[in-house]
Amino acid sequence: ELKVEQNPLFLSMQEGKNYTIYCNYSTTSDRLYWYRQDPGKSLESLFVLLSNGAVKQEGRLMASLDTKARLSTLHITAAVHDLSATYFCAWAGGSEKLVFGKGTKLTVNP
Amino acid sequence: DSGVTQTPKHLITATGQRVTLRCSPRSGDLSVYWYQQSLDQGLQFLIQYYNGEERAKGNILERFSAQQFPDLHSELNLSSLELGDSALYFCASSEKGVGSKETQYFGPGTRLLVL
Repeated sequence: ELKVEQNPLFLSMQEGKNYTIYCNYSTTSDRLYWYRQDPGKSLESLFVLLSNGAVKQEGRLMASLDTKARLSTLHITAAVHDLSATYFCAWAGGSEKLVFGKGTKLTVNP
Repeated sequence: DSGVTQTPKHLITATGQRVTLRCSPRSGDLSVYWYQQSLDQGLQFLIQYYNGEERAKGNILERFSAQQFPDLHSELNLSSLELGDSALYFCASSEKGVGSKETQYFGPGTRLLVL
């Protein structure tokens, strides 16, 4: 059975600090997605990682994919309050359906 | 704004009833996906349509059905509603959706409350 596990599920951090969210998946895939969701809102696409070793950066967020380790990471650099949200990784295999992790609720405190 | 629209935004109904959720994909997108988000189950894929045809099926209950019309909008029908069907229902769309490794763009969702 496919498992997509994110950790931590809850993350409280101070502004200016760095942290990493981990996404492990049990079945091989050649792509991995990261989404952001603000409370009561929809999902916003952050990154699509399409190959082993892929690294993408946008502002203070950087995502990477290691298909051999079945691991993706979302690294937050010098966090700011605006980054407070829930972050989801999503696995996609042979079909187009996305299998989501449980999400990491990030709170950035002043 | 992703360009995906969903109506209604909120829906309150009673157990045993039937409701229809509507989704219009981004202009030019051929694939529509439906997802359910609940506190206990998280985000779950329900079903995908590509250019009017069912493409993939997930954890969709038999009480639920969907279709995609010639103008590419999609409807998700939920019948014999139960309390546990209360959730946020998202529609997403992508241009092709057939082995294309594309991003799926999500609509604002319909929040369903079954009383």
